[in-house]
Amino acid sequence: AQTVTQSQPEMSVQEAETVTLSCTYDTSENNYYLFWYKQPPSRQMILVIRQEAYKQQNATENRFSVNFQKAAKSFSLKISDSQLGDTAMYFCAFSQGAQKLVFGQGTRLTINP
Amino acid sequence: EPEVTQTPSHQVTQMGQEVILRCVPISNHLYFYWYRQILGQKVEFLVSFYNNEISEKSEIFDDQFSVERPDGSNFTLKIRSTKLEDSAMYFCASSEATTGNQPQHFGDGTRLSIL
Repeated sequence: AQTVTQSQPEMSVQEAETVTLSCTYDTSENNYYLFWYKQPPSRQMILVIRQEAYKQQNATENRFSVNFQKAAKSFSLKISDSQLGDTAMYFCAFSQGAQKLVFGQGTRLTINP
Repeated sequence: EPEVTQTPSHQVTQMGQEVILRCVPISNHLYFYWYRQILGQKVEFLVSFYNNEISEKSEIFDDQFSVERPDGSNFTLKIRSTKLEDSAMYFCASSEATTGNQPQHFGDGTRLSIL
């Protein structure tokens, strides 16, 4: 069974700083997809960024980028120029196609003014 | 941008009662999911649904639970004989296709409180 581990329960940085959230996963499959979801206090689940395992190039979405290390089974999220609105719970997730999403435990990120 | 909508936003129910959580997936999506998040814990998969049948379910999704797509637009989760431990946030999600290139889009969730 696939597992996803986020080893940082909480993180806190100052506005405009860069922060990196860690995620590792375990799978025996070669083709899969990785995601970062954001859950602000409003409790929505918002897709931040996604990565296909067969792509070597790291995904980027504006201030958000990932460092995907397939051999190490690592998928970290970097947030540049952090903003107050980035304050949220961040979940790393794994899936194989239309299969279920397997989530990590989450990292609570606080951006301080 | 199209959204997944869930109703109600908050449901309070007496233990032992039945509850139905409703979801309207994005209209051209074909794959539907329910997830559960107990307060302070991670999001857990319950069930996936495609072509009017369950495609996968977790250990949590026992005989107490059922899903239905009654009218081609709604996607419901029914919980029979609710227990205190059913209290959680329930998220509906939908996706357009089977590949990860079409990610799952989530609704805002229904907070279920069992008294």
